Amino acid sequence: AQKVTQAQTEISVVEKEDVTLDCVYETRDTTYYLFWYKQPPSGELVFLIRRNSFDEQNEISGRYSWNFQKSTSSFNFTITASQVVDSAVYFCALSGPMDSNYQLIWGAGTKLIIKP
Amino acid sequence: SQTIHQWPATLVQPVGSPLSLECTVEGTSNPNLYWYRQAAGRGLQLLFYSVGIGQISSEVPQNLSASRPQDRQFILSSKKLLLSDSGFYLCAWSVRAGDTQYFGPGTRLTVL
Repeated sequence: AQKVTQAQTEISVVEKEDVTLDCVYETRDTTYYLFWYKQPPSGELVFLIRRNSFDEQNEISGRYSWNFQKSTSSFNFTITASQVVDSAVYFCALSGPMDSNYQLIWGAGTKLIIKP
Repeated sequence: SQTIHQWPATLVQPVGSPLSLECTVEGTSNPNLYWYRQAAGRGLQLLFYSVGIGQISSEVPQNLSASRPQDRQFILSSKKLLLSDSGFYLCAWSVRAGDTQYFGPGTRLTVL
């Protein structure tokens, strides 16, 4: 069955430090999708990225970058030069046709605290 | 562009009272719609999803029900609230199953 593990419950860093949020997944599907969402204190989930299983290219968007490695079933998220506004809970999610009928399987989330 | 609305933003209800939360989507047709619940400090739990008018799938048996009376309207209801129904309720939409889900601002429900 599908599973998403975000082992880091909470991370606290000082502003301007780089930080990596880990996401490890399990699936029997050969075609699947991986997602990252940000949930700031206001509560609304904000979509960050979607990656399909056939595209292992790393993605960079400003200070955000994602490292997708099928060999280790990981889809890690790095914030470079962190800022206080990056403080939020970050969720990793997975969907696929067989194990979940395309419903999103969510990780438990990692709470990121950026101290000024 | 598409937008998703939820109301009310916050709600405090006594145990045993009814509940109705509404979610509407603008700017798209025949979306997949979802209701999630998030307990304090916890992850997301999918409650219901709908692929079309009148088509509701329940993921977790509980004290809640959902309805989709119109293409872009999704309603979460309860006849009698329990203390355990407290939480943050999020509505989301996607073009199709497996696509990116876009979330509304959420409703914070406290049952006393």
